[in-house]
Amino acid sequence: DGGITQSPKYLFRKEGQNVTLSCEQNLNHDAMYWYRQDPGQGLRLIYYSQIVNDFQKGDIAEGYSVSREKKESFPLTVTSAQKNPTAFYLCASRRGSSGNTIYFGEGSWLTVV
Amino acid sequence: QQQVKQSPQSLIVQKGGISIINCAYENTAFDYFPWYQQFPGKGPALLIAIRPDVSEKKEGRFTISFNKSAKQFSLHIMDSQPGDSATYFCAASGAAGNKLTFGGGTRVLVKP
Repeated sequence: DGGITQSPKYLFRKEGQNVTLSCEQNLNHDAMYWYRQDPGQGLRLIYYSQIVNDFQKGDIAEGYSVSREKKESFPLTVTSAQKNPTAFYLCASRRGSSGNTIYFGEGSWLTVV
Repeated sequence: QQQVKQSPQSLIVQKGGISIINCAYENTAFDYFPWYQQFPGKGPALLIAIRPDVSEKKEGRFTISFNKSAKQFSLHIMDSQPGDSATYFCAASGAAGNKLTFGGGTRVLVKP
């Protein structure tokens, strides 16, 4: 089945540790995105990438890093510099310039303990 | 700067009633306005979307109304059902990266 796979679904991290969230898509989409969602809040853009080996900061990039070495993969690293990392993280993707629809994965819950 | 403002934050409607959610935007470069539905613990799913060249779009029980001059758009859920209970997000995007800017969300509860 085509789709966006995020892993792990649930992750616990100790303060001071970096953690990487995986996002893989087999939709052959060009663009990929990472959003953060806090409980009862809207979605805020962390990073996005329109092509391989290129990515741009979103609205809340501080404390996060990404890479886009392959078209189908866009991992997000939450670093120890992120002051409030506990949140629901959503990966999304979009077809090239001819499509506007952005599709989301099922999300990853990160809790800092 | 909140570029897309959504109201109300929550809404309770009786089964069979109409749910209405409103959004306002500031950036006139936005040219695509989708609505997403999200169930607890799940990723948002596209519900319906509209472009500014039309004033209304209907898909089943869901209708988007769009007012370009007022920079406002709204979602109407007709004949609301308990299965419609979810959080609804409006969003907007323009040419720059086609990244979506989301409203704050509306939690809808449909009572049987």
